[in-house]
Amino acid sequence: DIQMTQSPSTLSASVGDRVTITCRASQSISSWLAWYQQKPGKAPKLLIYKASTLESGVPSRFSGSGSGTEFTLTISSLQPDDFATYYCQQYDLYPLTFGGGTKVEIK
Amino acid sequence: EVQLVESGGGLVQPGGSLRLSCAASGFTFSDHYMDWVRQAPGKGLEWVGRIRNKANSYTTEYAASVKGRFTISRDDSENSLSLQMNSLKSEDAAVYYCTRVGVKRLPDYWGQGTLVTVSS
Repeated sequence: DIQMTQSPSTLSASVGDRVTITCRASQSISSWLAWYQQKPGKAPKLLIYKASTLESGVPSRFSGSGSGTEFTLTISSLQPDDFATYYCQQYDLYPLTFGGGTKVEIK
Repeated sequence: EVQLVESGGGLVQPGGSLRLSCAASGFTFSDHYMDWVRQAPGKGLEWVGRIRNKANSYTTEYAASVKGRFTISRDDSENSLSLQMNSLKSEDAAVYYCTRVGVKRLPDYWGQGTLVTVSS
């Protein structure tokens, strides 16, 4: 199975900060990587797919980059609505696997 | 509007069985692959499995942790997805999400989830 490792596991930041979350795959997954946002008690929401393509309706302050084994999710200017947990997921090979999550907290 | 509504969660004893259902609406259900994803309390997301569409012979894929115990099925005439869970273990306790697999090859719409508790 492909292991997905996210860092950091927790991130404390302030409104307006630039935030970067990293996701590493245990083997190359080309660009078959997605990012989801999850708020407490809610289902995850798709933000980015194919490593860098923004899902319709997602604010442009979110961006994704990377290919192969190294990927990043960047929030250019953190907004109050962005405090949540973020997960990466590879969908190159079965079984699909998720990273352990990064919780973005208010500093 | 795409809607996915799970049902069937509850309390079950270790070794027991439970069947989850997902009612889909707002899209052509028969065209899409469908996934189940679960989340143990306070933990991360775990992909459970996938069922393909009729054009791909309704074939399935499963996570190793549930293979041989869980079965995914669908009824395109009822726009319904099911997850039959047998030989349940304490580690199967989680919120189970029904998800639609879009043209992007990954879950793009999620239901609200149904909670399964495994305890004696």
